[in-house]
Amino acid sequence: KAGVTQTPRYLIKTRGQQVTLSCSPISGHRSVSWYQQTPGQGLQFLFEYFSETQRNKGNFPGRFSGRQFSNSRSEMNVSTLELGDSALYLCASSPGQGAGEQYFGPGTRLTVT
Amino acid sequence: GESVGLHLPTLSVQEGDNSIINCAYSNSASDYFIWYKQESGKGPQFIIDIRSNMDKRQGQRVTVLLNKTVKHLSLQIAATQPGDSAVYFCAEYGGTSYGKLTFGQGTILTVHP
Repeated sequence: KAGVTQTPRYLIKTRGQQVTLSCSPISGHRSVSWYQQTPGQGLQFLFEYFSETQRNKGNFPGRFSGRQFSNSRSEMNVSTLELGDSALYLCASSPGQGAGEQYFGPGTRLTVT
Repeated sequence: GESVGLHLPTLSVQEGDNSIINCAYSNSASDYFIWYKQESGKGPQFIIDIRSNMDKRQGQRVTVLLNKTVKHLSLQIAATQPGDSAVYFCAEYGGTSYGKLTFGQGTILTVHP
């Protein structure tokens, strides 16, 4: 089975712009979770989607949003980018039904200048 | 407030030694735990998991121990190899917190040939 894929792998944006990141989960997995990883804060949970519904959300501002499509692929969007949004954004997929077992993609490295 | 960079614990071992990486978790209601390995430039890789109704689980060259009394996890790696060099994270999951893994700060393991 193919693993979790994320596109793009690297991205450079300017403050004030917005960005959309994409994630394709493992085939058959219906849950997709997103995380932000920074040297200062470590790995922090952004949100989780299951069957196109957001079931859980972390403590991030409303500039961070996401969605999931009927094929379980997911996107996350960050609007009005700030320098502090520079991070590795990781997507993880899980069979769902609340299972914690998550498999991560390689991440998208976002740099905001 | 101002964020402070994480200072990750480090563990240096010689090739062939056994390694033990420790983790204290925060939520006594967590019922599922995972160890991940993250190499530079990659997403976290699933190593082994354990449910709260167990106190030990073994995989290939790895063993996870769970002590719920003191909320402590450990990962034991037998016959450590240079390819084991990476950052290791423990993560905890509570059954009602859909899709949300809470990660520890991580431990840097360096294996010297």
